[in-house]
Amino acid sequence: AQSVAQPEDQVNVAEGNPLTVKCTYSVSGNPYLFWYVQYPNRGLQFLLKYITGDNLVKGSYGFEAEFNKSQTSFHLKKPSALVSDSALYFCAVSGGSSNTGKLIFGQGTTLQVKP
Amino acid sequence: DGGITQSPKYLFRKEGQNVTLSCEQNLNHDAMYWYRQDPGQGLRLIYYSQIVNDFQKGDIAEGYSVSREKKESFPLTVTSAQKNPTAFYLCASSNRRTGGTYEQYFGPGTRLTVT
Repeated sequence: AQSVAQPEDQVNVAEGNPLTVKCTYSVSGNPYLFWYVQYPNRGLQFLLKYITGDNLVKGSYGFEAEFNKSQTSFHLKKPSALVSDSALYFCAVSGGSSNTGKLIFGQGTTLQVKP
Repeated sequence: DGGITQSPKYLFRKEGQNVTLSCEQNLNHDAMYWYRQDPGQGLRLIYYSQIVNDFQKGDIAEGYSVSREKKESFPLTVTSAQKNPTAFYLCASSNRRTGGTYEQYFGPGTRLTVT
């Protein structure tokens, strides 16, 4: 069965510092991986995805993520955090050998960027 | 939130009443999805539809019903059989019926409170 884990409920960083939000996945076969961001009482916004090719994926708002097949990870990164990046971040996976097109979401990680 | 609208934004109902949440998209997407979000539990899939006049149960379909009579519309009914209906409901759509390589686009959500 497909699954996604976000091991940190909350990540705290200072503005201007690099940030990392962790995600690991379990999929039989090739995974398709996604990151979304959610601001309070809003829907999810798509940030980036990995389907195939270059392991480093660049997305919206200066975010990037690195696909690591051997570690089954897809960590979200940004070189310099902004206070406005504070939000709830979700990692999601689809694909695999039993591909139904459905997304499986992690529990979410709250990112708090302090001035 | 793209071309997906959900109405109303806030909805209040008495226990024992059925209630229908609206979801409309103008993105010409084949697939549509309904998720439920509870604090600390991420998103859970209720129902999804990959084509008009067809839909499948997700992970937590009990107490919910849907219809897909038009490509652009995918209403969700929360019935009185749903034991704990108070939650934030999110609708999404994507460009492909299967394959899972296309990202889902989310509406702004409806917060349902049942007392």
